[in-house]
Amino acid sequence: ETGVTQTPRHLVMGMTNKKSLKCEQHLGHNAMYWYKQSAKKPLELMFVYNFKEQTENNSVPSRFSPECPNSSHLFLHLHTLQPEDSALYLCASSQDRLAGAGDTQYFGPGTRLTVL
Amino acid sequence: AQTVTQSQPEMSVQEAETVTLSCTYDTSESNYYLFWYKQPPSRQMILVIRQEAYKQQNATENRFSVNFQKAAKSFSLKISDSQLGDTAMYFCAFLLQNNAGNMLTFGGGTRLMVKP
Repeated sequence: ETGVTQTPRHLVMGMTNKKSLKCEQHLGHNAMYWYKQSAKKPLELMFVYNFKEQTENNSVPSRFSPECPNSSHLFLHLHTLQPEDSALYLCASSQDRLAGAGDTQYFGPGTRLTVL
Repeated sequence: AQTVTQSQPEMSVQEAETVTLSCTYDTSESNYYLFWYKQPPSRQMILVIRQEAYKQQNATENRFSVNFQKAAKSFSLKISDSQLGDTAMYFCAFLLQNNAGNMLTFGGGTRLMVKP
């Protein structure tokens, strides 16, 4: 379970705070993803990065700002969040040698975010 | 857009018995991949098994096997000789093969409890 790591594991923040979630993958993959897992809702894809370039933004509000400085690291910057943004945020990575190769995504343990 | 439906929110099985989790999906595409992921309580989501849509043979991984019915758009997971460690949320996921990249669509999940 050390292939994809996420920090912090738990985060409590107020609506006016600014915080960042970090994801690191040690698998040599080229694609990284952010997902949101809320209670009683299916996992929702938020962002996709391929070779450090953002290739998908799934209509995510601008209070979530991703950053991918290299293929191994992915950040999610948070500012002026709402209580309904409380959820488990999961990071994943995949080899993505070719778009459409169907590479398996490997998930991190997630950050449990609570917005007060 | 693709949709994935898991019609059983919760299931239970006695240890050593067999259980089948259901998954149906809707797509007009012919090239895609299907996955079952397992998320134990407070632990990382891990891949259980994957199936390429172009393969007629059902995938098998030790005690886990799938029944892939492409025409019916059905992808059920069978767990044989259930163990206490199989207790988890199980997610069915659909991956479309196209040039936009690897974007997973998840079902709502099935919570499986293995009873001693």
